[in-house]
Amino acid sequence: EAGVAQSPRYKIIEKRQSVAFWCNPISGHATLYWYQQILGQGPKLLIQFQNNGVVDDSQLPKDRFSAERLKGVDSTLKIQPAKLEDSAVYLCASSLTRMNRDSYEQYFGPGTRLTVT
Amino acid sequence: SQQGEEDPQALSIQEGENATMNCSYKTSINNLQWYRQNSGRGLVHLILIRSNEREKHSGRLRVTLDTSKKSSSLLITASRAADTASYFCATDTGANNLFFGTGTRLTVIP
Repeated sequence: EAGVAQSPRYKIIEKRQSVAFWCNPISGHATLYWYQQILGQGPKLLIQFQNNGVVDDSQLPKDRFSAERLKGVDSTLKIQPAKLEDSAVYLCASSLTRMNRDSYEQYFGPGTRLTVT
Repeated sequence: SQQGEEDPQALSIQEGENATMNCSYKTSINNLQWYRQNSGRGLVHLILIRSNEREKHSGRLRVTLDTSKKSSSLLITASRAADTASYFCATDTGANNLFFGTGTRLTVIP
């Protein structure tokens, strides 16, 4: 079974520039997540999709971050314009659809390491 | 914040010894999960324990959960060098959104 794919793996940009990350979840996983992991910290959820609908984006800085999952499969996360504090690893994860309050494990991609200079 | 906290922040042990990591959290949970992260394999799910469970085993892993104290522990027995990684607890409060802790950095010395 193929895992969660992400690209690019590394990105270096200057502040105020724009950047986009791509994620392809595991086939059949309706739920997709984007996390931000700052060095030395645990991952922080940015946005959760169920198919192509947003379930939770309460921690997404909407003035500069946007995400979409138009066809319910692939997803892109964009930052425009980037700030120095956006330097982090951006992780995409996917899981089966939650049923009856029973959680499923999340499968994570390798992440994109973003450096903003 | 709903984020959990792991203790200790860093742990260094000899190969063959047991490693215990603790996690404390603040809100009611549906379940608690432990993940491992290393540079080679990224973030990987280890074990999930539901709020109505008190103990769970998986291979060399043993997880306990005390909802009255809002705490969990992860025990790795007979540690190996390959267990060197960061370990995170993550709480699910019922929306399948995970709140990760700050992590414990485990180093197993061969």
